[in-house]
Amino acid sequence: DADVTQTPRNRITKTGKRIMLECSQTKGHDRMYWYRQDPGLGLQLIYYSFDVKDINKGEISDGYSVSRQAQAKFSLSLESAIPNQTALYFCAARGSGTGELFFGEGSRLTVL
Amino acid sequence: AQKVTQAQTEISVVEKEDVTLDCVYETRDTTYYLFWYKQPPSGELVFLIRRNSFDEQNEISGRYSWNFQKSTSSFNFTITASQVVDSAVYFCALKGDSSYKLIFGSGTRLLVRP
Repeated sequence: DADVTQTPRNRITKTGKRIMLECSQTKGHDRMYWYRQDPGLGLQLIYYSFDVKDINKGEISDGYSVSRQAQAKFSLSLESAIPNQTALYFCAARGSGTGELFFGEGSRLTVL
Repeated sequence: AQKVTQAQTEISVVEKEDVTLDCVYETRDTTYYLFWYKQPPSGELVFLIRRNSFDEQNEISGRYSWNFQKSTSSFNFTITASQVVDSAVYFCALKGDSSYKLIFGSGTRLLVRP
């Protein structure tokens, strides 16, 4: 079983719609992250959380919000989706004692 | 500031050739971690290796090897006798001890032709 699970894996939506991407992890990692991948740009950090009460903005947080509902769950929301938010989104988790990130399988979002 | 540069945007080789993917990093931290991830066409990110800044030993894992050189701030990745299944985008990444996040390079797309 994957350590980090993302849903949905694929989503097509229209401009202005609210979208939520969900992420859950099974290993009890305290730190969770949301990244966005665009072709040729690598991965850019949207938000990160070190525990349930600690939420922080990353490099490209505008237009996004997050919720850490429990240690195992970290969701990403687009309140009003726009076409340039079309991208591949990754959730990741890691423990405090290691730098390694465990990634989910990605959520491909298309905003028309 | 921390930065990772993967100057090779795309590499194409014929199966069984050796190929080296370059990674150059910048950080002011004395303690840091370097990573390589593989992203196959299916899209997921697969962890390959983590290297600590205080361990400059090169590592070999099957056909994969990594050359870490602090003097040139490089952490290059070599695939020996490449196979079609090695076709993927490969990302180098850096985490400095003073930073909360992993910094990724822009990736190198490797195409291995039969």
